[in-house]
Amino acid sequence: SQQGEEDPQALSIQEGENATMNCSYKTSINNLQWYRQNSGRGLVHLILIRSNEREKHSGRLRVTLDTSKKSSSLLITASRAADTASYFCATPSGSWGKFQFGAGTQVVVTP
Amino acid sequence: DTAVSQTPKYLVTQMGNDKSIKCEQNLGHDTMYWYKQDSKKFLKIMFSYNNKELIINETVPNRFSPKSPDKAHLNLHINSLELGDSAVYFCASSRQGELTGELFFGEGSRLTVL
Repeated sequence: SQQGEEDPQALSIQEGENATMNCSYKTSINNLQWYRQNSGRGLVHLILIRSNEREKHSGRLRVTLDTSKKSSSLLITASRAADTASYFCATPSGSWGKFQFGAGTQVVVTP
Repeated sequence: DTAVSQTPKYLVTQMGNDKSIKCEQNLGHDTMYWYKQDSKKFLKIMFSYNNKELIINETVPNRFSPKSPDKAHLNLHINSLELGDSAVYFCASSRQGELTGELFFGEGSRLTVL
């Protein structure tokens, strides 16, 4: 079963709007990561939040983590057409270097 | 310079054939991975190697055999290809197996089995 599950599966917004997506996971973690995947490309790391952090910012990205609810959210502010991509959360799972990914949220930003 | 490069980018082949995908990283990382992304974009780990040693083998059929000649290279050989093997295969690397490090992905190899 998936460790991370993103919600919603798809999101369509206009440029300038904010995009929020959520990730839920099942087991205890020491960190959670978000990745972006442009169409036909590999995944690119966006941000990592540790279990003792509640919120983290990086440019127009804001990530929150609620370990009591086993959930995280990624907010993209003032979205741009270039933010069109799929966004995945990833959590370490069990042994050495193993990360579990959800199925992603597909974000479409229209000009 | 591309950090994680994999070849070929596209692979179209018939059922029953054998094919290989190659991966190289120039980041000096000790750990490399193969992930499979299906048509619904779900990404699943297949294998990981640390310094040429197999660490993770996620119940992948024996038809899939990874090989790591050195810590900068991780290849994937697939025997007797089946329709269900059609997917995008991603190579990735990270610093030595740490669970707090980021993964660096290649651009993917799209395998289509006819």
